[in-house]
Amino acid sequence: GAVVSQHPSWVICKSGTSVKIECRSLDFQATTMFWYRQFPKQSLMLMATSNEGSKATYEQGVEKDKFLINHASLTLSTLTVTSAHPEDSSFYICSAPPAGTDGYTFGSGTRLTVV
Amino acid sequence: AQSVTQLGSHVSVSEGALVLLRCNYSSSVPPYLFWYVQYPNQGLQLLLKYTTGATLVKGINGFEAEFKKSETSFHLTKPSAHMSDAAEYFCAVSERRAQKLVFGQGTRLTINP
Repeated sequence: GAVVSQHPSWVICKSGTSVKIECRSLDFQATTMFWYRQFPKQSLMLMATSNEGSKATYEQGVEKDKFLINHASLTLSTLTVTSAHPEDSSFYICSAPPAGTDGYTFGSGTRLTVV
Repeated sequence: AQSVTQLGSHVSVSEGALVLLRCNYSSSVPPYLFWYVQYPNQGLQLLLKYTTGATLVKGINGFEAEFKKSETSFHLTKPSAHMSDAAEYFCAVSERRAQKLVFGQGTRLTINP
């Protein structure tokens, strides 16, 4: 089945620095990628939708300048957390919509800790 | 806009007992419904999905769910719980194929020996 590879799995960074998270579709082309954020013991909240060749669509309340999303190619979407602060610490997961009869494919997630 | 409500943030059953995780949804169009399982610090794994056709859907690991339009429900069941079923379970809905998923709050399933 379809596989989305997400890296890094975990990252620790200092406040004020930027962190880039990558999601690659390994054996299919993903024109769209959904980016979710999950706080401990909570559900997944959609942050934004990236589209290859166009600007990302952000959900209400998500800071566009802080969470930069780029869909550089049909197999790569990235989320950059800029000027990270401790409150940005969370679990970030990407997901590609279904191809054919498959379900949505999720990356393995990135645990971001900002110290 | 669509929404999902999972009744019970925490469900605890004995090994070998029936598992029932409840999910109700709201959608202005015929929904696509999903159940996912998440283990700690991991991504989500699809258990099963309903798009069209048969309302009783069988998934992996012995799980199944029934789409009941009249009750706007999509409850997840498994006849006999196994210790390895302990995880977080999420019900999700999308209004159209390949559109964004909206997740329920999640239900943590604990299996007692």
